[in-house]
Amino acid sequence: SYELTQPPSVSVSPGQTASIICSGDKLGDKYACWYQQKPGQSPLLVIYQDSKRPSGIPERFSGSNSGNTATLAISGTQAMDEADYYCQAWDGGTDWVFGGGTRLTVL
Amino acid sequence: QLQLQESGPGLVKPSETLSLTCTVSGGSISSYHWTWIRQSPGKGLEWIGFMYHNGTTTYSPSLKSRTTISVLTSRKQFSLNLSSVSAADTAVYYCARAGGTSFDAFDIWGQGTMVIVSS
Repeated sequence: SYELTQPPSVSVSPGQTASIICSGDKLGDKYACWYQQKPGQSPLLVIYQDSKRPSGIPERFSGSNSGNTATLAISGTQAMDEADYYCQAWDGGTDWVFGGGTRLTVL
Repeated sequence: QLQLQESGPGLVKPSETLSLTCTVSGGSISSYHWTWIRQSPGKGLEWIGFMYHNGTTTYSPSLKSRTTISVLTSRKQFSLNLSSVSAADTAVYYCARAGGTSFDAFDIWGQGTMVIVSS
């Protein structure tokens, strides 16, 4: 079955750019999306189709996907961006897959 | 604005069947696809299954033998049945919509419902 791998944690200073990667075999051939989850809340879609932002998601959230790696970038990171982030992809057949999640800490 | 609300028992005994319902309000249930996801305490998200707008379903290989997702269009509800549960099935269960932004992304989620499997 298809697998997505994320680093368990990423740290960033306020105002800097945070980058969270998601790796999977030929992930660039699929669409990747990203979810933000804060404690006690449901996940929130922040990026879909690699780089598109749903309505209401700040422009500081951006995404890219190429080769075996998708990347979520958060520019000008704020304290409110501290959360768990999950990548997700459809394998092109019958399965949807989540990465293991990355905890973003804003130091 | 379309909203989702999960409902069902918060406690299920081992070996029994977990049954949850997701109620769709503020929008059409027939125009979108629907999915169930769960999250064990302190763990990540796990996809359970997906139902296309035409009622066709697909399930996670690891849960396929125990999972059924179905729709009750007249009530604007879809359901999840997970049989032969064990403590490993203890989790927050979420329903979500697909096909709003794109086919493969889940753009609207319910608040989640905690299910504990215990005797």
